[in-house]
Amino acid sequence: EVQLVQSGAEVKEPGESLKISCKGSEYSFASYWIGWVRQMPGKGLEWMGTIYPGDSDTRYSPSFQGHISISADKSISTAYLQWSSLKASDSAIYYCARAEHMTTMEYFYHWGQGTLVTVSS
Amino acid sequence: QLVLTQSPSASASLGASVKLTCTLSSGHSSYAIAWLQQQPEKGPRYLMKVNSDGSHRKGDGIPDRFSGSSSGTERFLIISSLQSEDEADYYCQTWGSGTWVFGGGTKLTVL
Repeated sequence: EVQLVQSGAEVKEPGESLKISCKGSEYSFASYWIGWVRQMPGKGLEWMGTIYPGDSDTRYSPSFQGHISISADKSISTAYLQWSSLKASDSAIYYCARAEHMTTMEYFYHWGQGTLVTVSS
Repeated sequence: QLVLTQSPSASASLGASVKLTCTLSSGHSSYAIAWLQQQPEKGPRYLMKVNSDGSHRKGDGIPDRFSGSSSGTERFLIISSLQSEDEADYYCQTWGSGTWVFGGGTKLTVL
């Protein structure tokens, strides 16, 4: 069974850096696009960016470009979402999600359990 | 610009049927979309992909009560025999040219 297991909840202060992770299992990690999705409290889903671990081809939403960095280490089947300087407005649940079909840019079929990030002084 | 529009809320009675709508922006009538369900305090779950011709492909374990259809730039999610656990937020998602887009979501209340 395909699984995406995300790292645990984080509490950070404004200005701090953070890297959260999403580990895939039971499939060929390098061959499927993985995306990151933000959900702010009481709000909808927002696409942040997507990476193809096989060659690290990464696409960013214009809304998030320059504020986040997405990467992947296919040797340990893990994708990452990173901030260099957090803001209070980054407080949200972050989901990773995988495309259904190999090598295909498409909808997100498998979802991680979410990582709650709280940024507060 | 690729945009998805959903009504913020919908309601229907227990045992009845409901049809939720996701509208693609002008010029994108050939695009497929995916429907996601998010129950309270849970993460999103893939329900189905709906193509422009109305064909749809459900995810594993999705009940037969859930179906999809299309008309022009509109993509529909039909839920029949509504159950209490269907009360949730429903999102549509599409993709193209290296970008992914979510609709704003519809909160479905089962009366």
